[in-house]
Amino acid sequence: NAGVTQTPKFRVLKTGQSMTLLCAQDMNHEYMYWYRQDPGMGLRLIHYSVGEGTTAKGEVPDGYNVSRLKKQNFLLGLESAAPSQTSVYFCASGFAGSRDDEQYFGPGTRLTVT
Amino acid sequence: AQKITQTQPGMFVQEKEAVTLDCTYDTSDQSYGLFWYKQPSSGEMIFLIYQGSYDEQNATEGRYSLNFQKARKSANLVISASQLGDSAMYFCAMRSLFSGGYNKLIFGAGTRLAVHP
Repeated sequence: NAGVTQTPKFRVLKTGQSMTLLCAQDMNHEYMYWYRQDPGMGLRLIHYSVGEGTTAKGEVPDGYNVSRLKKQNFLLGLESAAPSQTSVYFCASGFAGSRDDEQYFGPGTRLTVT
Repeated sequence: AQKITQTQPGMFVQEKEAVTLDCTYDTSDQSYGLFWYKQPSSGEMIFLIYQGSYDEQNATEGRYSLNFQKARKSANLVISASQLGDSAMYFCAMRSLFSGGYNKLIFGAGTRLAVHP
């Protein structure tokens, strides 16, 4: 049981390049989330998904796209990377409905855009 | 608007002493949940403790307890008998249970705790 995994762990992009971050969970969770963490700030929600084939915008969705083609995977895409997207990205997953279910976090991906 | 405020950017405590990390929240929801997460220097987010808005008892998990004062909208984390391994960033977060039925977390800016020997 690997929990929530993220690939890659680190990445350096040039401005304008594109990339996809992959999140995978093996806990059969319905909900999955992408957050970004910037220095001096807590995590902010980018996009989330409440089930296979559905996605929705969070607090800071601009410049990102997501897809949830399979229940266990949640992809975050940057079509044209900008220096403002330099951040640590966390994926999380959890069950729906139960009020005290925690979100389980992946180890994070550190992205630098130059 | 929902908001979490952690007013202590940094705290330090002597090993074996207790420390309280402050968290206040703002929400108009009647039902919500409050979480504390620990982020050590390695970067992962570790769940520590949860308090539901209708829970009458303060939550406890080992050396962690949550001092929940609903009228003051505060959910402070108390760590008893601090250990060197408690040195980390600590985040308070709130989940709204009925915002479209989605389980979304809103995080505070965090408090960095340093435990001194």
